[in-house]
Amino acid sequence: SQTIHQWPATLVQPVGSPLSLECTVEGTSNPNLYWYRQAAGRGLQLLFYSVGIGQISSEVPQNLSASRPQDRQFILSSKKLLLSDSGFYLCAWSVRTSGRAYEQYFGPGTRLTVT
Amino acid sequence: RKEVEQDPGPFNVPEGATVAFNCTYSNSASQSFFWYRQDCRKEPKLLMSVYSSGNEDGRFTAQLNRASQYISLLIRDSKLSDSATYLCVVTGSGQNFVFGPGTRLSVLP
Repeated sequence: SQTIHQWPATLVQPVGSPLSLECTVEGTSNPNLYWYRQAAGRGLQLLFYSVGIGQISSEVPQNLSASRPQDRQFILSSKKLLLSDSGFYLCAWSVRTSGRAYEQYFGPGTRLTVT
Repeated sequence: RKEVEQDPGPFNVPEGATVAFNCTYSNSASQSFFWYRQDCRKEPKLLMSVYSSGNEDGRFTAQLNRASQYISLLIRDSKLSDSATYLCVVTGSGQNFVFGPGTRLSVLP
């Protein structure tokens, strides 16, 4: 079965510090991968998605970036965090199967507090 | 108009009640539709996909109305464990999944 890992689970970082969040998927090949952010009490905002190694699409302009160095690895980074970057960061994967809609499955998330 | 809209609630219902949520979407070219549930401070979990013919999974029934561009979720015989936020999800262009803001449900004893 497929599993998705994210780490760390919680993170407290000062403004201006760098960020690196990692997500890995097991049990599937060529997944689509996604990074979302959920601010407190708000809905999910799609940040990036990737359909393959080195292919990144950005949905929202910001000081974050994403990379996909390996098929099942997705990394979210920032050079300098802002207070507004605080939130719940979720990685998700999906695979397209013929004849039916494709679903997304989420990792456990990283709760980031920028102080 | 937002791409996906939901009544934020909260819906407070007694155990055993039937409750229905609606979700409207603006992109008539949307292809796939889903309901997720999210517990407090947890990741969203897939509840069910929504198919054109409608589908049922135990106490949960999902319907899609393409002409009116809305999706519904019906929960019968509500349990305390059904308390959560229910997210409507619509796929946009390409790989873009658009989440609604969610509807909060509290099932009361």
